[in-house]
Parts: sequence; C-alpha cells; structure tokens
Amino acid sequence: TQLLEQSPQFLSIQEGENLTVYCNSSSVFSSLQWYRQEPGEGPVLLVTVVTGGEVKKLKRLTFQFGDARKDSSLHITAAQTGDTGLYLCAVKNNFNKFYFGSGTKLNVKP
Amino acid sequence: NAGVTQTPKFQVLKTGQSMTLQCAQDMNHEYMSWYRQDPGMGLRLIHYSVGAGITDQGEVPNGYNVSRSTTEDFPLRLLSAAPSQTSVYFCASSYSSGLAGFTDTQYFGPGTRLTVL
Repeated sequence: TQLLEQSPQFLSIQEGENLTVYCNSSSVFSSLQWYRQEPGEGPVLLVTVVTGGEVKKLKRLTFQFGDARKDSSLHITAAQTGDTGLYLCAVKNNFNKFYFGSGTKLNVKP
Repeated sequence: NAGVTQTPKFQVLKTGQSMTLQCAQDMNHEYMSWYRQDPGMGLRLIHYSVGAGITDQGEVPNGYNVSRSTTEDFPLRLLSAAPSQTSVYFCASSYSSGLAGFTDTQYFGPGTRLTVL
C-alpha cells in the first residue's frame, strides 16, 4: 500500500478543458509538495503547501491542502498542451525520507 | 551553475556486473538522495544523505550502496546487477531551511536509464 494515492492515474483531455487531480493519504503531513515531470527529465517543484485549508495559485494552476492535512488537489483551468506531463505529489516524514505518489499522467490534446 | 548532474545518461549491463552511477551538485546542498522510477510506481527512495559522512536507507535499498565523502558528490553503486534493477534512476539535492515542518525543494538531475539484461 502506497503512502500517497494519486488519482486518476491517466487523464487525456482537449486543450481548454478544466481538470482536477488528487493526492490522498490516511496520514497527516506537515507539508506536501507537487512536482511536474516532463518526458526524459527529472521532476520540477511546482508548489509546497503547509497549512491545512491553504490554497495557492500558480497562473492557471490552483493547489489546495486539505483541512486535515491528509490530502491535496491540483486544479488546472483551461488546460494547454504545455501542461502535458506527469504530476507527482510528495511528502517528507520526520526521518528525512521523501515519499512520492505514483503520479497522474496528463495528456492535453490540441 | 550546473545544478545536479548525473552520468551516464544511458547504461546497459549484464546480470552480475557492477557499476557506479555518478551524481554531483554545485549548490552546496546538504541533503542528497537517489530514487528509482518504474512505470506506475512514481519515485521510490533508495538511499539518502543529510550531509557528508552520513547516509541512510530509503524505501528500496537492497542491492545498492552509497557513500558521501564530500558535500558535492553522492555516487550510487550497484553491487551485482539484476534485471529487477532495470529502471530510471534520479539523483536529487535540497537545501535544508531548518524551518519546522517545512519540506524543502528538491532539485533533480536528468536521470540515468539503466537496462540489465
């Protein structure tokens, strides 16, 4: 059983559509990160959320940390082909170990 | 500023061979880590280091060794390669801000694609 469960696993949408992907756990975290990974490259940090209920916006991307700090969502408004990639959530435990979810693979078609 | 560099980019090994994946960073980061990425599995932590001379096991350490003699370098050794170690390997580094409860940004290298036959 993975610490972080991401859904959906795959998402294929048309340019201009909205979408939401989720990162869920039964554990409580002090902070949670979202990364985006493009094919053939390493992940790149998008955002870190630290407060329960926190909402952060990065242009067309909106990140929310659950009130109980067990889950998070990423909403993309008017998706563009440049949003295509693998979206990963990650946490670090008290022993400096990072855990990643299995990711949501997003394909935005023109 | 090169960031995190990894060599080689691609490698093919035969079962039983050993090799070292190189990782270096020029950002003076204390924390360095190795991950493997397999389809549908996300990234899984192999080993990590919180500073020179200090290493610890991650989620999937078996079959791998690490050492950290300098702040800059964190090589990953495969002792006797097995087909199950076919994967993409990523090295990452991060600065420890020391902020309680805050997870610092990890900077990833471009990855090494390893095939074990």
